[in-house]
Amino acid sequence: GNSVTQMEGPVTLSEEAFLTINCTYTATGYPSLFWYVQYPGEGLQLLLKATKADDKGSNKGFEATYRKETTSFHLEKGSVQVSDSAVYFCALSEFPWSSGSARQLTFGSGTQLTVLP
Amino acid sequence: GAGVSQSPSNKVTEKGKDVELRCDPISGHTALYWYRQSLGQGLEFLIYFQGNSAPDKSGLPSDRFSAERTGGSVSTLTIQRTQQEDSAVYLCASSSRQGGGELFFGEGSRLTVL
Repeated sequence: GNSVTQMEGPVTLSEEAFLTINCTYTATGYPSLFWYVQYPGEGLQLLLKATKADDKGSNKGFEATYRKETTSFHLEKGSVQVSDSAVYFCALSEFPWSSGSARQLTFGSGTQLTVLP
Repeated sequence: GAGVSQSPSNKVTEKGKDVELRCDPISGHTALYWYRQSLGQGLEFLIYFQGNSAPDKSGLPSDRFSAERTGGSVSTLTIQRTQQEDSAVYLCASSSRQGGGELFFGEGSRLTVL
């Protein structure tokens, strides 16, 4: 079946440091890939996504590139802020969203990020 | 409100009791999902509703778990004869066909079984 493996946390960085959170996946088809973020006391929200190989998703200074050859979708940010402290989840969908069919997402275990001032 | 609403936000129950968790999705969203988030674990898919189609129940962990969605809107997740391993945060999400795959999550219902 499909699976997502995320870098284990927690991760603690100083403000303005470079961030990488690793994510690799196993899928039988051609999944779409997502990063969701959960800020303290809030529900999960979509951070960015990529629907096909070599696509780069980006939002709020975060980026991730869909690498089919390494089955990876690592999250990066060049300069983190205290407000980026949250739990980050990598996820995949077993069917491309372009099919018009919204199917279940498979999530990784989440990575807790704490950014210190 | 405009977001996904879940209730109760916290529920403490005794082992063996039944519980009901409610989800009110975003108006107009045809798809509704239930996930379970256990401490230190990822999100575990439970069940998925899409419009009037038969729900995908493939993630329900046992026959003690059931869910229904009335009128294509509000959903209730029922856990019968609760056990301690059912303790978790239960998350509901909804999405639209035109949403590009984005799921909108509620804040969750934290269930503690003593």
